[in-house]
Amino acid sequence: ELKVEQNPLFLSMQEGKNYTIYCNYSTTSDRLYWYRQDPGKSLESLFVLLSNGAVKQEGRLMASLDTKARLSTLHITAAVHDLSATYFCAVVAGSNYKLTFGKGTLLTVNP
Amino acid sequence: KAGVTQTPRYLIKTRGQQVTLSCSPISGHRSVSWYQQTPGQGLQFLFEYFSETQRNKGNFPGRFSGRQFSNSRSEMNVSTLELGDSALYLCASRESLRLSYNVLFFGPGTRLTVL
Repeated sequence: ELKVEQNPLFLSMQEGKNYTIYCNYSTTSDRLYWYRQDPGKSLESLFVLLSNGAVKQEGRLMASLDTKARLSTLHITAAVHDLSATYFCAVVAGSNYKLTFGKGTLLTVNP
Repeated sequence: KAGVTQTPRYLIKTRGQQVTLSCSPISGHRSVSWYQQTPGQGLQFLFEYFSETQRNKGNFPGRFSGRQFSNSRSEMNVSTLELGDSALYLCASRESLRLSYNVLFFGPGTRLTVL
């Protein structure tokens, strides 16, 4: 059974600082997704990572994938308050399209 | 294009009742998936439908069922509601089954409270 672990689960940051969220998964996969969820809202797609070594960047967020280590990272650069949200990674294994999600990382950026 | 829409947005039911949730995918998207989100279990896959056929099913009891119509709209039904069914139910759509890297687009969710 595919397991996806995120850490940390809670992250309180100061504005302007950098930090990384880690996503480990237990079985071979070449498709990993990052989503953002604001309180009371739905999930917003951030990145799709499809191959080993893939790196995607959007604004202050950069995601990478190492399929050999079964690890993805979401790096936050110079955090701002607007980045406060819960971030989920999700992995697809095999030919089906069932997303297995991590527990999420609740990010709070403080002024 | 309009996004994924779900109705109703909020529901309050009592134990033993049944409930039907509705989802309209993004225009042109033929696949609809359903996920349950709870504080304890997180986001869990319920099922996926494509062309009116269930393609995949998660580990939920038979009380959870769904269907898809010819216009790709989908409904999810939960019978004999239990307190533990209280959750945010998210519907998501994607364009096709052929592209393995499809992104799932999620709707706003239906918040179900079982009393």
